[in-house]
Amino acid sequence: EVQLVESGGDSVQPGGSLKLSCVVSGFNFDNFWMHWVRQIPGKGLEWVSRIKNDGSYTTYADSVKGRFSISRDNAKNTVFLQMHSLTAEDAGVYYCARAQYDSSGYFFDYWGQGTLVTVSS
Amino acid sequence: DIQMTQSPSSLSASLGDRVTITCRASQNIDNYLNWYQQRPGKAPRLLIFAASRLHNGVPSRFSGSGSGTHFTLTISSLQPDDLATYFCHQSYSVPPDTFGQGTKLEIK
Repeated sequence: EVQLVESGGDSVQPGGSLKLSCVVSGFNFDNFWMHWVRQIPGKGLEWVSRIKNDGSYTTYADSVKGRFSISRDNAKNTVFLQMHSLTAEDAGVYYCARAQYDSSGYFFDYWGQGTLVTVSS
Repeated sequence: DIQMTQSPSSLSASLGDRVTITCRASQNIDNYLNWYQQRPGKAPRLLIFAASRLHNGVPSRFSGSGSGTHFTLTISSLQPDDLATYFCHQSYSVPPDTFGQGTKLEIK
């Protein structure tokens, strides 16, 4: 059974840092690109970042570029999101998602349950 | 960035109704369009990929169509389990991936 389990969400002050983790099981982790997507509760979905299966390539949303860093440890089946200089606009539920590639792009076929980040003084 | 616009933002329908949700892209995305369902308090779940292909385990009452800039998600006969918010997502021109703002479906 495929599982993605996020952790690391917490309440932090503006300007603070946080590192999220997503541990996966049930599939060959090193064959898949992984993404982070966030959601303000009650609002829409915002793509945050992605990392290639071997960790050699990463991209970020403009809103987090220079502040967030995605990485992975294929030996531990884990993808990370290091977040710095957090603002109120970064608060929300953070999901990790597996990207499955197809002839028509890719799609997120498995998602974690999400981890909540709160930014408040 | 490609903008994805869903309509309506919310709708209320009765059990057994046929429901259609629309997603429009600000430019051509071929069929690189996916649909997700998010039940209250849960993570999103993939329903449809590549505009019209049903993901494993998704009930056949769900279907998708469209290409280019105009796409639809249809539920042929609304069931209680379908209470959720539905999102479209494009992977044609990335980064960034972009999502529609969501359509909240309520049961009358």
